[in-house]
Amino acid sequence: AQKVTQAQTEISVVEKEDVTLDCVYETRDTTYYLFWYKQPPSGELVFLIRRNSFDEQNEISGRYSWNFQKSTSSFNFTITASQVVDSAVYFCALSALLNTGFQKLVFGTGTRLLVSP
Amino acid sequence: GAGVSQSPRYKVTKRGQDVALRCDPISGHVSLYWYRQALGQGPEFLTYFNYEAQQDKSGLPNDRFSAERPEGSISTLTIQRTEQRDSAMYRCASSSDTKTEAFFGQGTRLTVV
Repeated sequence: AQKVTQAQTEISVVEKEDVTLDCVYETRDTTYYLFWYKQPPSGELVFLIRRNSFDEQNEISGRYSWNFQKSTSSFNFTITASQVVDSAVYFCALSALLNTGFQKLVFGTGTRLLVSP
Repeated sequence: GAGVSQSPRYKVTKRGQDVALRCDPISGHVSLYWYRQALGQGPEFLTYFNYEAQQDKSGLPNDRFSAERPEGSISTLTIQRTEQRDSAMYRCASSSDTKTEAFFGQGTRLTVV
């Protein structure tokens, strides 16, 4: 069975600090995708990134970076120089490949990030 | 439309009533998903459509829950004889095909009193 663990329930930082959100996953699939979504206080779920299990290259997008390590089944997310607008709940997710070709998302329980001015 | 649209945004209903939640996916997206998110939890899969065909409904909790997408575009999730435990955020998502990332709507917050 697929499982995503986000052990950090809540993290509080002061603006401009760097922060890393941890994500550990379990799957028996050889091909899968990993995702991060952001849920700001307004409640919508915003797509941030998708990584293929064959591509272990780290990715950077502005202040955001992602570290995918298959050896430790982790897909961690780092925000550099955090800002108040980064305050949100962040969800890590894993796609479970069904035989229909459909990829069902399995989400972690989320990490609430609070950035104070 | 520009994004996935869900209506209503908020719904309060009395226990025992039926409710219908609507999802209008991104134009041209063939895959549509329903998820349910309890407070403090991540979303959990309910059901999935490819065009008008419901290809997986393994996440529907019981037979009070049903979904349809008759013309391969707008979808309706119906909950019959609602119970308090049905209270949650119901999220719809769509993707251009089964292999691309899903984009979520703002959700419908259902409260059963």
